Amino acid sequence: DVKVTQSSRYLVKRTGEKVFLECVQDMDHENMFWYRQDPGLGLRLIYFSYDVKMKEKGDIPEGYSVSREKKERFSLILESASTNQTSMYLCASSGTTEKLFFGSGTQLSVL
Amino acid sequence: AQSVTQPDIHITVSEGASLELRCNYSYGATPYLFWYVQSPGQGLQLLLKYFSGDTLVQGIKGFEAEFKRSQSSFNLRKPSVHWSDAAEYFCAVGAGGATNKLIFGTGTLLAVQP
Repeated sequence: DVKVTQSSRYLVKRTGEKVFLECVQDMDHENMFWYRQDPGLGLRLIYFSYDVKMKEKGDIPEGYSVSREKKERFSLILESASTNQTSMYLCASSGTTEKLFFGSGTQLSVL
Repeated sequence: AQSVTQPDIHITVSEGASLELRCNYSYGATPYLFWYVQSPGQGLQLLLKYFSGDTLVQGIKGFEAEFKRSQSSFNLRKPSVHWSDAAEYFCAVGAGGATNKLIFGTGTLLAVQP
């Protein structure tokens, strides 16, 4: 089975901190995605990457950046965390099929 | 612009009863349609998908969905709900292709009464 691993299940940070969310997949997938999930808003795409060092903005990229230096790892970076970035963050990957495989999520609280 | 609407935020059904979760989409071309389920504390798991062909698709856990182009709908159904089906359900639409970028609906939270 494909495994998508997010490094932290829960994370608490302070306003203004730089935050790194890490995601690793073990199936050599080309595509990786970062979504945030908020009650009543569903999943919204932040950024995605379709190859190493390649990235594209999703629907809500403001306040975020990403890094993909290796195929298996896709990092989401909050340059200066703010309280409105408190959310559940979901990483996903996909290969040659359209099926997305999701990690278990990171619940980020920014105080 | 692509969009997905799930009009029901929260649904409660009795165990053994039938279930239908609604999904409407807006998309300019032939859509790729998906249903995902999220159990508490878990990531999302694919239930089923529609790309082309037979408009009634079967998925895992006894779920099925029917694509109706005239109504821009892709409703999820199950004839008899089990308590373990309590979860949040997300409909999604995508263009397919290499990047597999999906647009998700806001989700429907399903509660199952004994």
